[in-house]
Amino acid sequence: AQSVTQPDIHITVSEGASLELRCNYSYGATPYLFWYVQSPGQGLQLLLKYFSGDTLVQGIKGFEAEFKRSQSSFNLRKPSVHWSDAAEYFCAVGTQGGSEKLVFGKGTKLTVNP
Amino acid sequence: DVKVTQSSRYLVKRTGEKVFLECVQDMDHENMFWYRQDPGLGLRLIYFSYDVKMKEKGDIPEGYSVSREKKERFSLILESASTNQTSMYLCASRSRRGWYYYGYTFGSGTRLTIV
Repeated sequence: AQSVTQPDIHITVSEGASLELRCNYSYGATPYLFWYVQSPGQGLQLLLKYFSGDTLVQGIKGFEAEFKRSQSSFNLRKPSVHWSDAAEYFCAVGTQGGSEKLVFGKGTKLTVNP
Repeated sequence: DVKVTQSSRYLVKRTGEKVFLECVQDMDHENMFWYRQDPGLGLRLIYFSYDVKMKEKGDIPEGYSVSREKKERFSLILESASTNQTSMYLCASRSRRGWYYYGYTFGSGTRLTIV
């Protein structure tokens, strides 16, 4: 069965600093990979996804992520963080074929200092 | 522009009550899901439905049931509410075809407190 690990429970960065949120997955074949963001008290919003092709994918709000098959990783990056990026971020993996359900990581909470 | 609507943002119920959480989507999606979200545990799948009147158990179905009589509506039922079911509940839907391109669409969540 597939699984997702987000090693960092909580990250604090200063506004304007760069950001990288880590995500490692476990799945035997090429997965579908997603990053979602959840603002306080809200549902989840899709930031970006990877399912084939270019391993560097661009998303909304200036985020990007890189799929590295050799490392089973799909890390999320942003060159300059804004205070409005403070939220919880979830990485998710889906499978091709079968039940095709999404499995989520436990999330990384991002705090942005002024 | 609301696409997945959960009927209540906050709900307080008593132990032993039968609780209904409602979710409606207007995107004609075939698949719908119920997750619960707890601090430190992320999102855990309770039940999902591939189509009308179809349901399958997720990872934590105990104490819950679901109903999907119409394509747009997916209800989560707590048969006899207990305090350990206090949580944030999130509904999601997706199109069966090409879902990996669009991902899931989530509702805003229902924060349920059982007292």
